[in-house]
Amino acid sequence: EVQLVESGGGLVQPGRSLKLSCAASGFTFSNYGMAWVCQAPTKGLEWVASISTGGGNTYYRDSVKGRFTISRDNAKNTLYLQMDSLRSEDTATYYCARHYPTGSFYFDYWGQGVMVTVSS
Amino acid sequence: DTVLTQSPALAVSPGERVTISCRASESVSTLMHWYQQKPGQQPTLLIYLASNLESGVPARFSGSGSGTDFTLTIDPVEADDTATYYCQQSWNDPPTFGGGTKLELK
Repeated sequence: EVQLVESGGGLVQPGRSLKLSCAASGFTFSNYGMAWVCQAPTKGLEWVASISTGGGNTYYRDSVKGRFTISRDNAKNTLYLQMDSLRSEDTATYYCARHYPTGSFYFDYWGQGVMVTVSS
Repeated sequence: DTVLTQSPALAVSPGERVTISCRASESVSTLMHWYQQKPGQQPTLLIYLASNLESGVPARFSGSGSGTDFTLTIDPVEADDTATYYCQQSWNDPPTFGGGTKLELK
């Protein structure tokens, strides 16, 4: 059974940093691109970042470029999102998601999500 | 960015047929996908590439469309289908989601 379990969320002050983790199991992690998708409270979904199977290619939405870094450790079956210079508008639930096997930018499995609150 | 427009909400009775629409601000070919999100849960993939049913999803769900206009059809609707449905395109960069259609059962 595919499982994606996020951790690392919490309350953080504006301008500070936070690192999210996503532990994957039930599939060959190194064979799949991975992504982070966020959802602000009572709002819709927004793609944040994606990473290729080996980690050599990364992709970001404009609003997080230069502030967030997506990475992965295939030996540990874990995806990360380093979030720096956090802003109040980054407040959201962050989902780890697996790219569909074709490599296209849609997602066949999602974690349960982790909440990030940016507030002073 | 490609804007995807969905009706905010729909209310139907169990057993009826419902169509949920998604209109793109520019062509996305057939790279449109649909997700279901029940309250307090993560999204799940229903339809990919406009009309392909994801494994394990009931055949009551179907998708159609190309270019800028897409629909998700549920026929017949069951009580368990109460959820918010999101479309998502992956033709243009960045990938974007619609605002979601909240489906309520009468």
